[in-house]
Amino acid sequence: GIQVEQSPPDLILQEGANSTLRCNFSDSVNNLQWFHQNPWGQLINLFYIPSGTKQNGRLSATTVATERYSLLYISSSQTTDSGVYFCAFFSGAGSYQLTFGKGTKLSVIP
Amino acid sequence: NAGVMQNPRHLVRRRGQEARLRCSPMKGHSHVYWYRQLPEEGLKFMVYLQKENIIDESGMPKERFSAEFPKEGPSILRIQQVVRGDSAAYFCASSGQQETQYFGPGTRLLVL
Repeated sequence: GIQVEQSPPDLILQEGANSTLRCNFSDSVNNLQWFHQNPWGQLINLFYIPSGTKQNGRLSATTVATERYSLLYISSSQTTDSGVYFCAFFSGAGSYQLTFGKGTKLSVIP
Repeated sequence: NAGVMQNPRHLVRRRGQEARLRCSPMKGHSHVYWYRQLPEEGLKFMVYLQKENIIDESGMPKERFSAEFPKEGPSILRIQQVVRGDSAAYFCASSGQQETQYFGPGTRLLVL
């Protein structure tokens, strides 16, 4: 199956700093998405980003499908950004099984 | 809030007991998916259901696990004779017409 690697696995930031999280995948994927799992365990959809760039407030995401990676940018980080960030995708046309990376654990300290 | 509902949020069972996890999809969604998250890992697909039909259960363990999505009522994930290795967070997601999946808050199962 398609391999996905997220980096870095862990990240500690001072409040106000910027960060870039990366998701690499070994083959073409469909419908790449980014999720945030907050410290209470809730999974929140951040972006549906099969290609191109999207922005939502302090967060933005870019997927370059031809080069098999996606990036999540967090600017001016806040303590509420803490948690685990997952990229996930459908592995083939018509697939409905989301495959998740292992995540990046982000800790934002005041 | 018309989001995906799951209950209970936390469930403690002793080895050998049964666990029943419930999921009510978002209003208007007819596709339900169950995922399992082991500690320090991402989510793994278990099963995909539509009303009264199991579409794909390729991620379900062959024994002790079953799922249903009846015509009326929530989807149920049932684990019989639980073992310690079943301890995990179980997430339900729903979608309309196989588009973006929206996740519930999860049920944390602890097997003693």
